[in-house]
Amino acid sequence: GDSVTQMEGPVTLSEEAFLTINCTYTATGYPSLFWYVQYPGEGLQLLLKATKADDKGSNKGFEATYRKETTSFHLEKGSVQVSDSAVYFCALSDRTNAGKSTFGDGTTLTVKP
Amino acid sequence: EAGVAQSPRYKIIEKRQSVAFWCNPISGHATLYWYQQILGQGPKLLIQFQNNGVVDDSQLPKDRFSAERLKGVDSTLKIQPAKLEDSAVYLCASSLGGPRNYEQYFGPGTRLTVT
Repeated sequence: GDSVTQMEGPVTLSEEAFLTINCTYTATGYPSLFWYVQYPGEGLQLLLKATKADDKGSNKGFEATYRKETTSFHLEKGSVQVSDSAVYFCALSDRTNAGKSTFGDGTTLTVKP
Repeated sequence: EAGVAQSPRYKIIEKRQSVAFWCNPISGHATLYWYQQILGQGPKLLIQFQNNGVVDDSQLPKDRFSAERLKGVDSTLKIQPAKLEDSAVYLCASSLGGPRNYEQYFGPGTRLTVT
């Protein structure tokens, strides 16, 4: 079956540091890929997405590129802020199976001033 | 646009009791998902509906969990009887559906504590 593997956390960075959170996937079909974020005390919300190979999703300074050859969708940000502290989830939807959804276990990011 | 609504927000029950959760998706969204999220883990898909039909329920413990989506809109998830390990947040999400429309919108969740 489909699966998503995220780098283990938690991740602690100083403000303005560079962020990378690794995500790799296995899928029998051709998935769409997503990053969702959960800020403290809030619900899950979409951060960015990519629907085909080599697509780059971006939002709020975060970027991720759909790499089919390495089955990866790593999340990056050039300069993190304290307000980026949250839990980040990588996910896929299998388009060959009506969008069946699979999530990773999440990576907790803490940014210190 | 109204978001995904869920109720109740919190529920405490004793083991072997039953409980039901309700979800109202965003209007026009064909796909509805129920997830179980245990503390420190990612959401685990329990069941996914496309309109009235079930897309996937392979991880739904069918001996105790059931779900239905009436008229392709609202949905209920039931647990009967509950076990201690069912303590978790139950999330409902919806999406438009279709090959480029699988981004999901989540409700606030129901936090279930089984004692």
